[in-house]
Amino acid sequence: DAGVTQSPTHLIKTRGQQVTLRCSPKSGHDTVSWYQQALGQGPQFIFQYYEEEERQRGNFPDRFSGHQFPNYSSELNVNALLLGDSALYLCASAVLADSYNEQFFGPGTRLTVL
Amino acid sequence: AQSVTQPDIHITVSEGASLELRCNYSYGATPYLFWYVQSPGQGLQLLLKYFSGDTLVQGIKGFEAEFKRSQSSFNLRKPSVHWSDAAEYFCAVGPRSNDYKLSFGAGTTVTVRA
Repeated sequence: DAGVTQSPTHLIKTRGQQVTLRCSPKSGHDTVSWYQQALGQGPQFIFQYYEEEERQRGNFPDRFSGHQFPNYSSELNVNALLLGDSALYLCASAVLADSYNEQFFGPGTRLTVL
Repeated sequence: AQSVTQPDIHITVSEGASLELRCNYSYGATPYLFWYVQSPGQGLQLLLKYFSGDTLVQGIKGFEAEFKRSQSSFNLRKPSVHWSDAAEYFCAVGPRSNDYKLSFGAGTTVTVRA
C-alpha cells in the first residue's frame, strides 16, 4: 500500500497564475482533506471532499477550489496566485464512517509563488 | 473559536533525557485531541489521540500524553529521547464528530544533541 501520494513534489509559479495539485488517497479511504502549511506554522484546514462533494470548508477564499473523482482521488486548484499562497499543501485521507480512526497525511506539495 | 497554543517554538534536549511538549487549547467543549510528528520531507504521522476515558494516553515510539480538563492541556512526554526523535511536533484538536477537520498549533521543533 503506497499510502497517501501527492504530486508534484515541488512547484514554482508566478503571481496571477493558476495551479493544480493532486492527491491519491490511501487504498480504501473515501474522504480527502486539504491543508495549507505556511512556513513556521501549523497546517490550516482548507476543505474536505466526500462522495465527490465539498463537505466542509475552512476560512479560505473562493480562489481555492477542489474536486474529487469517482476513484476518490482529489485535486486542489488555486487561481490568481498570490505571494502569500506559498506554502506546503498537505492532503489527508480517511474513512469517514470510522470516526477518527486515523487520518493519513501525504508528504505534501511545496508551492512557491514568485 | 477554537485555538491551539504550543508555547515552545523550539526545544533542545540531550539524547537519553526526558522530553515534555506543552499544548493548550481553547474550545467550546472537550474536543478530540491529537499529537502529530513531522520529519523533514515527510507528511504528518499520528503519535497518539485522546477521545475519552483514561486521561493518560500511550502512543507510538514511546510517547505518551496526559489530558487535563481543568487546565485545557494535552502535554506530550517521552522518558528518554533518541536522536531519531528530532522533528517538528504538532498538537491538534477536532470536534467530537467524524469530520476529521483538525485545528493545529504552530508546532514545536525538537533538536536532539548527542
